[in-house]
Amino acid sequence: GQQVMQIPQYQHVQEGEDFTTYCNSSTTLSNIQWYKQRPGGHPVFLIQLVKSGEVKKQKRLTFQFGEAKKNSSLHITATQTTDVGTYFCAGQRQAGTALIFGKGTTLSVSS
Amino acid sequence: EPEVTQTPSHQVTQMGQEVILRCVPISNHLYFYWYRQILGQKVEFLVSFYNNEISEKSEIFDDQFSVERPDGSNFTLKIRSTKLEDSAMYFCASRSWVGSNTGELFFGEGSRLTVL
Repeated sequence: GQQVMQIPQYQHVQEGEDFTTYCNSSTTLSNIQWYKQRPGGHPVFLIQLVKSGEVKKQKRLTFQFGEAKKNSSLHITATQTTDVGTYFCAGQRQAGTALIFGKGTTLSVSS
Repeated sequence: EPEVTQTPSHQVTQMGQEVILRCVPISNHLYFYWYRQILGQKVEFLVSFYNNEISEKSEIFDDQFSVERPDGSNFTLKIRSTKLEDSAMYFCASRSWVGSNTGELFFGEGSRLTVL
């Protein structure tokens, strides 16, 4: 079945450092979404990428979708303590099918 | 802001007992989902529901699980005979429609199930 892999599993950074998490799918995706889950919370939607090679920015966050639509990355510039949480990528084989989540990358930030 | 609500927030049950987890999706949404997350692990897809029937389910969603939309607002997940390994946080999620600009899932805050 469809699998979505994500690395690293954990990352600790000093406040102000950059952070990147990488996501790979075993199959070509229709779209990929990113979610953030704060400790003790529920996943909250960040963004959806649909087009091959797409790059989207949200303030200090940059999201990329690979040319082959099988991989994606999330880059945070100059992390802040408010960035702590687990970042999940989630892929769909085609619109309307199940959204399959990666294992997530848990980010901790020390000031 | 509209939100997905789930009850109970925490349920403790004995192994072999039946459990029903309840969800009220966002009112104009058409697609409903159950996911579960074992502590510290990934969010696992269980089942999707559209037009009053299951549209997709995972290998986890075996005969012990069932879903229902009994009254047009609630969306329930029933586990017939709970096992220890069913202990997890269960998230309900909903989405508007496939043709919308985003396939964003709106998650509830979850129901934590503890099976003893």
